[in-house]
Amino acid sequence: DADVTQTPRNRITKTGKRIMLECSQTKGHDRMYWYRQDPGLGLQLIYYSFDVKDINKGEISDGYSVSRQAQAKFSLSLESAIPNQTALYFCATSDRTADNFYTQYFGPGTRLTVL
Amino acid sequence: GESVGLHLPTLSVQEGDNSIINCAYSNSASDYFIWYKQESGKGPQFIIDIRSNMDKRQGQRVTVLLNKTVKHLSLQIAATQPGDSAVYFCAENLSGGSYIPTFGRGTSLIVHP
Repeated sequence: DADVTQTPRNRITKTGKRIMLECSQTKGHDRMYWYRQDPGLGLQLIYYSFDVKDINKGEISDGYSVSRQAQAKFSLSLESAIPNQTALYFCATSDRTADNFYTQYFGPGTRLTVL
Repeated sequence: GESVGLHLPTLSVQEGDNSIINCAYSNSASDYFIWYKQESGKGPQFIIDIRSNMDKRQGQRVTVLLNKTVKHLSLQIAATQPGDSAVYFCAENLSGGSYIPTFGRGTSLIVHP
């Protein structure tokens, strides 16, 4: 979805390096999320943010941190990358419907390899 | 939390056949369900959703059926095409402000020409 962009799309790094993955959206949505996807598995929530001043840990936040710089930008950092953080990372946004439901819209993903 | 699961990890069909992808959910309080399609190298894309006050919802070539009695969800794709080959995820959610959807592992649909 071109409305949600992620940079970089691919990254290879070494163990111990600090890595930042960036997400930008033009949808005007308040809510943003970072997910991790491993082969053959579903999406695991890392962090989420309901607005600029709100940051929440997801189910697998250890080893990750985030920054919500603006409504449109949500960055994910790996402070000291390790090989088992090799995965696909997805950013998503969501907004509320008139009847109070939320649907998520995903970016194209970042493939991260930690050697 | 409760989880969403899928019955089959892989489904192979012939082009032109109808496909049915199943999903079981365990949280009886869930009231919103979404199907996503993820093509290789891309992020999940919204296909169709259904509220718990509905049993069936139709889109273009897709139909979602919800059976709340047995907590089962299915996605039917009519006249399956090679472009339908992808991984399909179901997600369950709760209406209201603070809920985050729970995703299943996904079913890989392979369409043979």
